Amino acid sequence: DVKVTQSSRYLVKRTGEKVFLECVQDMDHENMFWYRQDPGLGLRLIYFSYDVKMKEKGDIPEGYSVSREKKERFSLILESASTNQTSMYLCASSLRVNYGYTFGSGTRLTVV
Amino acid sequence: DAKTTQPPSMDCAEGRAANLPCNHSTISGNEYVYWYRQIHSQGPQYIIHGLKNNETNEMASLIITEDRKSSTLILPHATLRDTAVYYCIVEDFGNEKLTFGTGTRLTIIP
Repeated sequence: DVKVTQSSRYLVKRTGEKVFLECVQDMDHENMFWYRQDPGLGLRLIYFSYDVKMKEKGDIPEGYSVSREKKERFSLILESASTNQTSMYLCASSLRVNYGYTFGSGTRLTVV
Repeated sequence: DAKTTQPPSMDCAEGRAANLPCNHSTISGNEYVYWYRQIHSQGPQYIIHGLKNNETNEMASLIITEDRKSSTLILPHATLRDTAVYYCIVEDFGNEKLTFGTGTRLTIIP
C-alpha cells in the first residue's frame, strides 16, 4: 500500500516562528499536494508539485512556501506563523489523478 | 463558482443502500467526476471516478446521468464504518489537481 507520512500529528508553535511541515511518500509518485482544512470551508489547496524542484500555487498560497528537493519529500513552510494559520494540514500524493490521491493522516497545527 | 452541488448532510439506515447525489450541471465533455470520502480524523480516501459510463468497484457504484449533469454514488449495503464526509469533485482530464468542496456528511444509523 502507498503510504504518505506526515511528520507530526499535532504541533503547537508561537506566532512569528518559522514552521516546517514534512511529508514523505514511498511509492515514487510524481505529484504531491498540500491542503489545509478548516470547519465549514472544506479542503483548500495551498501548493502542489508535479516533479522535483517544481511547484505551483494552489488557491491559498499566501503566507506559505514549499520545497521539493527529492521526489519522495514535499515540505510546507510557514515563514512567520500567524494565528490564522491554525488549521489541519493534509498532504497527498498521486501517480496520476485517475489513480486517486493518497492522503496522509494530517498535522493539526496550532499557532499561539 | 463551485462546479458541484451536494446536500450538506444525509442519514441512511445500516444495511440499506446509501445514495449520495451530486449536481454538476455545467460539466464539460473533458471533465471527470471523482468521489472521495473522509472519515473523522483521517485524510480523504479515493472511492471511484467516471467520465460518462457507470462504474463499479469493491467500494461503491457511480451512476452518471446520460446528460452528465448529475451523478449518484451508491454504497450498496451501508455499515457504520461508512459514516463520513463524501466529496464529489469535477475536474478536467489532464488536470492533476483536485478542488474539494464541503461535501455531504453521511451518517449511518444503527
